[in-house]
Amino acid sequence: GQQVMQIPQYQHVQEGEDFTTYCNSSTTLSNIQWYKQRPGGHPVFLIQLVKSGEVKKQKRLTFQFGEAKKNSSLHITATQTTDVGTYFCAGPRGSNDYKLSFGAGTTVTVRA
Amino acid sequence: NAGVTQTPKFQVLKTGQSMTLQCAQDMNHNSMYWYRQDPGMGLRLIYYSASEGTTDKGEVPNGYNVSRLNKREFSLRLESAAPSQTSVYFCASSERDRGLGETQYFGPGTRLLVL
Repeated sequence: GQQVMQIPQYQHVQEGEDFTTYCNSSTTLSNIQWYKQRPGGHPVFLIQLVKSGEVKKQKRLTFQFGEAKKNSSLHITATQTTDVGTYFCAGPRGSNDYKLSFGAGTTVTVRA
Repeated sequence: NAGVTQTPKFQVLKTGQSMTLQCAQDMNHNSMYWYRQDPGMGLRLIYYSASEGTTDKGEVPNGYNVSRLNKREFSLRLESAAPSQTSVYFCASSERDRGLGETQYFGPGTRLLVL
């Protein structure tokens, strides 16, 4: 089955700065999902991307699905303390396997 | 709607003790999952259930058993706990969207410490 890799593992950001976290798959994905987990909390679904080259925005968060559908990115502008947490990407384990394979996550901390 | 609920929230066990983690969802979802989360390793699938009456192994099933009691409930049992099973356990449920992936809804987690 496919594996999903995320980089960086940790991201320390100054409040107000932008940053990007990346997700790469070993195989082509039919879709990719992003989840956010606040410290001490549980993963919460943010968004799903399905189409090649798709870009979706949620306020200061911009999600992109690569043209080859093997990578994705999450860009956060003007980082706020509310952005603290771990961001996971996840994709189906196989073409006929709907179960998700999660990346190891990018843990974001913010310096005020 | 409560979504996905899990009990207990915290548990301390001694090596060799057994326990059952409970999970219930009120969203009428067919699929349910048990994950464990360890630092730097993301979410690893222990067992899943595609529908009532069926269960299958995930990536890390050793030392665990599951029961899909009905459509709502999916329990995880540790028969003889080991320190390596110290982790945070999440239950999740999902319903497939035609043409799309399955969005998963997670419970609040059970934090387990095995001494």
